[in-house]
Amino acid sequence: LAKTTQPVSMDSYEGQEVNITCSHNNIATNDYITWYQQFPSQGPRFIIQGYKTKVTNEVASLFIPADRKSSTLSLPRVSLSDTAVYYCLVGDGWRTGANNLFFGTGTRLTVIP
Amino acid sequence: DAGITQSPRYKITETGRQVTLMCHQTWSHSYMFWYRQDLGHGLRLIYYSAAADITDKGEVPDGYVVSRSKTENFPLTLESATRSQTSVYFCASSESGQGALNEQFFGPGTRLTVL
Repeated sequence: LAKTTQPVSMDSYEGQEVNITCSHNNIATNDYITWYQQFPSQGPRFIIQGYKTKVTNEVASLFIPADRKSSTLSLPRVSLSDTAVYYCLVGDGWRTGANNLFFGTGTRLTVIP
Repeated sequence: DAGITQSPRYKITETGRQVTLMCHQTWSHSYMFWYRQDLGHGLRLIYYSAAADITDKGEVPDGYVVSRSKTENFPLTLESATRSQTSVYFCASSESGQGALNEQFFGPGTRLTVL
């Protein structure tokens, strides 16, 4: 069961790059790594997903080392609007049951002016 | 409007009463989910459904009942509400159960208070 470990909270100044690392030592061969973002009083929103190496989209980059036991979400030049909770999930979906997908408590990112 | 909606957005009820939270999605997604979110616990899966008439338990199913007679609706019922069920409830849907392309789309949430 590939549960994840993330820092509880992080602070960053506006304009800086933020890297949030997630540990998932028990990741399985078929597992993907997915990150969600949640603003206060809203449901989570999908940010990015990857399997290995690097994935980049208009919002973020996801770096996954060769052993896949961790991953790093990178947010370039954060703004105040990036203040949110970020969740790292590891799993192969729910074809074999939803118990392999856990949101956990996430990382609370606070962007400071 | 297209998307995923939840109703009511806010609900106050009393201990022992039955409460039903509604979830409706317009994408015809196969998968639907119910989560609860509490301080210190993050998001926890209550029940999920792979298709109409197919449901299964998540991490914290006790005290909850679900049904899915139509693809677009996935109601969650608290048969006898308890104070410990005071929480924010999120419904979500997903097109696929595959490892990739399993992005979940979340509703706006229902804030339930049980007195």
